[in-house]
This record gives sequence, structure tokens and C-alpha cells, in this order.
Amino acid sequence: DIQMTQSPSSLSASVGDRVTITCRASQVIRNDLGWFQQKPGKAPKRLIYTASSLQSGVPSRFSGSGSGTEFTLTISSLQPEDFATYYCLQHNTYPWTFGQGTKVEIK
Amino acid sequence: QVQLVQSGAEVKKPGASVKVSCKASGYTFTGYQLHWVRQAPGQGLEWMGWINPNSGGANYAEKFQGRVTMTRDTPITTAYMELSSLRSDDTAVYYCARGNLADWGQGTLVTVSS
Repeated sequence: DIQMTQSPSSLSASVGDRVTITCRASQVIRNDLGWFQQKPGKAPKRLIYTASSLQSGVPSRFSGSGSGTEFTLTISSLQPEDFATYYCLQHNTYPWTFGQGTKVEIK
Repeated sequence: QVQLVQSGAEVKKPGASVKVSCKASGYTFTGYQLHWVRQAPGQGLEWMGWINPNSGGANYAEKFQGRVTMTRDTPITTAYMELSSLRSDDTAVYYCARGNLADWGQGTLVTVSS
């Protein structure tokens, strides 16, 4: 199975900060990667698909980059509604696998 | 708009089976894979498998092979996930999701407890 190593597992940041979350795949997955946001008690919401494409309706402060094995989700200016847990997902090879999540908390 | 509406919460005893439904609307049901993902309390997301609503073919994560069955009823645009031989560590919220997980159901809490 492809292992997705996500870092950090948690971070504290202030409103307006630039935040970067990284996912590393244990083998090449091209750009078959998505990023998801999950708030407590809610279903995950896809933010980014094919590594760098912004899902319709998602604010432009979210961006994704990377290809191969290294991927990054960036929030350019953190807003109060962005405090949540973020997951990456590889859908290159079955079984699909998620990163372990990054909890973004208020500093 | 795309909607995936799941069945309600379930409480089951160890060893029992549970069948969760996912009613799809707002798109061509047979045009997209339907995936199942679960999340144990306080834990991360775990992919379980998918079904092709057109052919009925399914692909399961090895962890669940032999215990999970994914089916669909095309005329009523509904997919199902049945998990058998339930254990306490199957307690989780189960989600259905369309395509490359672009759209998600609201989740179904399955509690396994004696």
C-alpha cells in the first residue's frame, strides 16, 4: 500500500498567517492527490484535486502544489473558518490512502 | 445539485451485520464510482472500497475483504455498504462519496456494543 506521510500532525496559527501542510507519498503518484478539510461533526470537504486544481466554490487563499511524491497545501492568509483538520488522499493506486491529518488550531 | 443522503444511525451487537444506504441525486448515478470511507471516533479517514454503479463491480480494501459487500439498486439510485461480523473497533462514522471524493454523504454512525 502507498503510505501518505502528512506533516505536521498539528499546528497553532493566528488569523492572517500563512500555513503550509505537506504530504509525502511512499511511491510516485503523479498528481493523483486531493486535499480535504474536515470540521468537527461534519463530512470532509474537498478543497483541491489533481494536486493543484481548486475545487469550485473554495476560496482562492487555498492552493496546492507538487507532483510525484511531495505535495503541499498552502493557506495564504488563515481565516477563522479555516480552523479544522486537513487530510491528503492519494487516488493513484488501490487501496486509496489518506494522510493521518493535520489539525490547525488557533494560537 | 449533487446530493448523497445516507441512512440513519445504527447500534449493533458484536457479530451482527449492518447495511448502510446512500441515496444519490442530482447527477447520473451510473456515471461515477461510489466510494465508502469510515472514521473511527477521534481518528483519521480510512478508505474501504468502491462500487461501479453501472456494472455493479466492486473493489474492496484488503482489510475488509470477506466482511464487506457493496451493492447498488440502479432504478432507485441507491448504493449500499454491508459490513458483517461486526467488532467493537468497527464503531465509526461511515461515509459514501462520489467520484474522486468530490461529494460526500452526511455520514452514518454505526455503534457496535454488547
